Amino acid sequence: EIVMTQSPANLSVSPGERATLSCRASPGVSSNLAWYQQRPGQSPRLLIYGASTRATGIPARFSGSGFGTEFTLTISSLQSGDFAVYYCQHYNNWPLTFGQGTRLELK
Amino acid sequence: EVQLLESGGGLVQPGGSLRLSCAASGFTFSSYAMSWARQAPGRGLEWVSTISYSGGTTYYAHSVKGRFTISRDNSNNTLYLQMNSLRADDAAIYYCTKDQGIQQWVDSWGQGTLVTVSS
Repeated sequence: EIVMTQSPANLSVSPGERATLSCRASPGVSSNLAWYQQRPGQSPRLLIYGASTRATGIPARFSGSGFGTEFTLTISSLQSGDFAVYYCQHYNNWPLTFGQGTRLELK
Repeated sequence: EVQLLESGGGLVQPGGSLRLSCAASGFTFSSYAMSWARQAPGRGLEWVSTISYSGGTTYYAHSVKGRFTISRDNSNNTLYLQMNSLRADDAAIYYCTKDQGIQQWVDSWGQGTLVTVSS
């Protein structure tokens, strides 16, 4: 089973600043990685797939990068609606697994 | 617009059974793999099970294999999850998801249905 580890667990950032979230896969998952956003009380929403492709309707301030074992989600110029929990997930093989999440908080 | 509406959640005793349903609309249901994922209260996301577009292939998380069964009715655009031998650690919000393909990312999530396992 592939283990997905996200860091940090919590991240405090001010509106307008940049946030950088990390996800590590062990073993590697090529580019078979997605990122999801979950706002309080809501279902998750797809942000990124293929490690770096934005889903339909996702603003350009969200960007993904990485390959293999190290991945990054960058959110530039944070807005109020961006404060949420972010999950990475691999789909390289079965079973699919998620990271434990990074909670992005308002500083 | 993709809509996924789960139902069937509720309170069940340990060892009991429950059947979840997911009514899908807004897309060609029979063309897409579908999955169930869950989220225990205050916890992260966990993939549970996936079924191919035809229903001919299924996959399960180790934690539910042998107890849960995923199925679909393409004529009625409905996804199911039969849950047997329920345990306290199965308590969670269960989400129905539309997948981009088999062994691919989730592109749409339902609102979820809450399953509580308690005596």
